[in-house]
Amino acid sequence: EPEVTQTPSHQVTQMGQEVILRCVPISNHLYFYWYRQILGQKVEFLVSFYNNEISEKSEIFDDQFSVERPDGSNFTLKIRSTKLEDSAMYFCASSPYETRDRGSSSYEQYFGPGTRLTVT
Amino acid sequence: QQPVQSPQAVILREGEDAVINCSSSKALYSVHWYRQKHGEAPVFLMILLKGGEQKGHEKISASFNEKKQQSSLYLTASQLSYSGTYFCGTDRTGNTPLVFGKGTRLSVIA
Repeated sequence: EPEVTQTPSHQVTQMGQEVILRCVPISNHLYFYWYRQILGQKVEFLVSFYNNEISEKSEIFDDQFSVERPDGSNFTLKIRSTKLEDSAMYFCASSPYETRDRGSSSYEQYFGPGTRLTVT
Repeated sequence: QQPVQSPQAVILREGEDAVINCSSSKALYSVHWYRQKHGEAPVFLMILLKGGEQKGHEKISASFNEKKQQSSLYLTASQLSYSGTYFCGTDRTGNTPLVFGKGTRLSVIA
């Protein structure tokens, strides 16, 4: 069964450093997301990506963050100048969302296993 | 607007039933249910679409009351493997990212 994969599984970085989290969505999916989950808390939306551009982002997703789909398969989240409060589990998700001109449909989002980011 | 889940936590014995509720103050297009085990990614359970059909598993079902903007997840004859935190994610228009509730921690004991 196809699945979303993420690398690395755990990343430790020093405050102020840049990190890149990588995701490979399910191959025929069209919509991609990044979420984060601070330990013991709820899952929070960061950004969604469709047709090679950001379609929506939350207030958490400020200038410190950026996303890219560099090669048609990988989907990356870059965090510049990491802060202690960026420590969290970061989940990538993808969805087989149809194009909007076919009408709205809501499809399940498949989550990757996550990358645990620890900022020290 | 974050949906409100209740209860926050529940403990069941194997074979017992449970209901987890998810309420929103805004009109919803769909409600998505996920289960997350400790240290793992959320796993999709089912989606309830406004005016549409329900999908789901055998002993896990759900309802969606569009007028009340409320969804309920029903777990029947619970098994040890049902333990985990259940999150509902709400979608207001069909093309908006999910907003998750704080979760309901379910513990099934032998």
